[in-house]
Amino acid sequence: DSGVTQTPKHLITATGQRVTLRCSPRSGDLSVYWYQQSLDQGLQFLIQYYNGEERAKGNILERFSAQQFPDLHSELNLSSLELGDSALYFCASSVVGLTTYNEQFFGPGTRLTVL
Amino acid sequence: DQQVKQNSPSLSVQEGRISILNCDYTNSMFDYFLWYKKYPAEGPTFLISISSIKDKNEDGRFTVFLNKSAKHLSLHIVPSQPGDSAVYFCAASADSGNTPLVFGKGTRLSVIA
Repeated sequence: DSGVTQTPKHLITATGQRVTLRCSPRSGDLSVYWYQQSLDQGLQFLIQYYNGEERAKGNILERFSAQQFPDLHSELNLSSLELGDSALYFCASSVVGLTTYNEQFFGPGTRLTVL
Repeated sequence: DQQVKQNSPSLSVQEGRISILNCDYTNSMFDYFLWYKKYPAEGPTFLISISSIKDKNEDGRFTVFLNKSAKHLSLHIVPSQPGDSAVYFCAASADSGNTPLVFGKGTRLSVIA
């Protein structure tokens, strides 16, 4: 158990809909990252938040947005869903900055299926 | 343009033998490298890491080697066990792990009893 929790575990929805994925980081971790893993692909970085502020952006579509709340949990919002958005979405957290080298710890993921 | 490449999609090894998983990178700014292990229906689990100031890091049965001049790293598992069967991802960071990781596509390791 990494200490990172994600809900829901599975999500099935239709094209055009909007969903929200939730992540709670490990206790004490200020940074949250979102990654997408499509079929046969490695993990692609979407967005990073640090202590409530957006810190880095990757290949995140304009239809996707995220935020990190004062209690440090994060939500990833996916709207106008398309079939190609079907993927595993992982959240990771790390301490950032408190030690020199910081590994990221991953949650179990949310499997999104768009029909 | 893949900055981190794992050229072997799969590897099959007999129990008790050595497993060697390889990873190449192109970005010379990467200074921290990590290996993650992933079972089906689970998130990636951190396995071992190495900073660019070292060329070897060992943790039990797992050893990671880094060759900066060749921009190559490898993960050695000795001895391999059936429970090691999983997908292994190589990842790299350009700021000591404080920035998003760049992942390879993974190598599926099968350890045969």
